[in-house]
Amino acid sequence: QKEVEQNSGPLSVPEGAIASLNCTYSDRGSQSFFWYRQYSGKSPELIMFIYSNGDKEDGRFTAQLNKASQYVSLLIRDSQPSDSATYLCAVITGTASKLTFGTGTRLQVTL
Amino acid sequence: DTAVSQTPKYLVTQMGNDKSIKCEQNLGHDTMYWYKQDSKKFLKIMFSYNNKELIINETVPNRFSPKSPDKAHLNLHINSLELGDSAVYFCASSHGRGDQYFGPGTRLTVT
Repeated sequence: QKEVEQNSGPLSVPEGAIASLNCTYSDRGSQSFFWYRQYSGKSPELIMFIYSNGDKEDGRFTAQLNKASQYVSLLIRDSQPSDSATYLCAVITGTASKLTFGTGTRLQVTL
Repeated sequence: DTAVSQTPKYLVTQMGNDKSIKCEQNLGHDTMYWYKQDSKKFLKIMFSYNNKELIINETVPNRFSPKSPDKAHLNLHINSLELGDSAVYFCASSHGRGDQYFGPGTRLTVT
């Protein structure tokens, strides 16, 4: 079982719709959860992090965490073509600040 | 203004050669990382240094040797390059948490 799992996609949503990206993790002791966005040919950039169960909102982005189900999601409201990228879920377990990444979900926002 | 910089951006070399990649950050972070992103876009940590001390050393061939002369610099030296070493190598830095800042990447091609 992979430590962090994501559907590779592509996930295609029309402009203006809500994009829902999901991630599951295997280590119940995982403490911190991150979403990175990576445009093609570019480096990953952090867009959200969440530490506690529940929702965390930042602009058009909402991160959701359910530790009991070992599930993290990212919602993107009012999706724009500029949101088209690969979204990487990442998890920290333990004290060594080691980020374990999922394989990423490619999002395509269509006009 | 560049936060995390890497040189070179592209590196094309032949099998068996030795090469180095350099990384510098001006964010005042005390932790730096090397990641490898393969052709399937999977991003995997290789090494991490905290204040010049190696704290993460994943299962990486010992042909790869990181060096951190000070907390703002982290270099990666690769001996006896192999075809399978072809990938994009990212440097990153943080205050020891998951909110990491990535450099632009070095695309290594071994022929």
